[in-house]
Amino acid sequence: DIVLTQSPALAVSLGQRATISCKTNQNVDYYGNSYMHWYQQKPGQQPKLLIYLASNLASGIPARFSGRGSGTDFTLTIDPVEADDTATYYCQQSRNLPFTFGSGTKLEIK
Amino acid sequence: AVQLVESGGGLVQPGKSLKLSCSASGFTFSSYGMHWIRQAPGKGLDWVAYISSSSGTVYADAVKERFTISRDNAKNTLYLQLNSLKSEDTAIYYCAREDYRGWFAYWGQGTLVTVSS
Repeated sequence: DIVLTQSPALAVSLGQRATISCKTNQNVDYYGNSYMHWYQQKPGQQPKLLIYLASNLASGIPARFSGRGSGTDFTLTIDPVEADDTATYYCQQSRNLPFTFGSGTKLEIK
Repeated sequence: AVQLVESGGGLVQPGKSLKLSCSASGFTFSSYGMHWIRQAPGKGLDWVAYISSSSGTVYADAVKERFTISRDNAKNTLYLQLNSLKSEDTAIYYCAREDYRGWFAYWGQGTLVTVSS
């Protein structure tokens, strides 16, 4: 199984940039696509898709969110952060079944 | 609009069974692969099972031989049969629609399964 590693927590000041990383133990690229996706989850809610295929903004997601990376190293950036961005952020790979998730990064806005 | 609505969760004793349902609407259900993903209290997301549009299945090792995913395209409904339940199966169970290259743009609101004596 592909293992995704995320830092558990991050604190960023309001209006600054948040960078959340996700590293995999196997390459998740295939035929020009990076099979890495990002989700935001707030307490009591289901996850919400933010970014698909490493860098594509999902429908209705503000342009403050962006993703980049390839191979085994990926980042989600929020710039500038807003108070409402307080949440846990998960990466997920779909290169191989079983699909796997990172353990999540809890973002605190200072 | 796409909608996924889970049901069937509840309190169940260890070793017993439960069947979850996910009612889908707003899209051509038979054309999409579907997944079950769970989240234990205070923990992260844990992928459980997948069923393709042609009903091929894949399971996480932790649930293989105990859980069965199935679908009824005539009823636009996804199922998860949970057998031989353990305390570590306690979680919110979400159904999710797989899009194109394996991301999940649509999730249900989840149904809570609590395994306890």
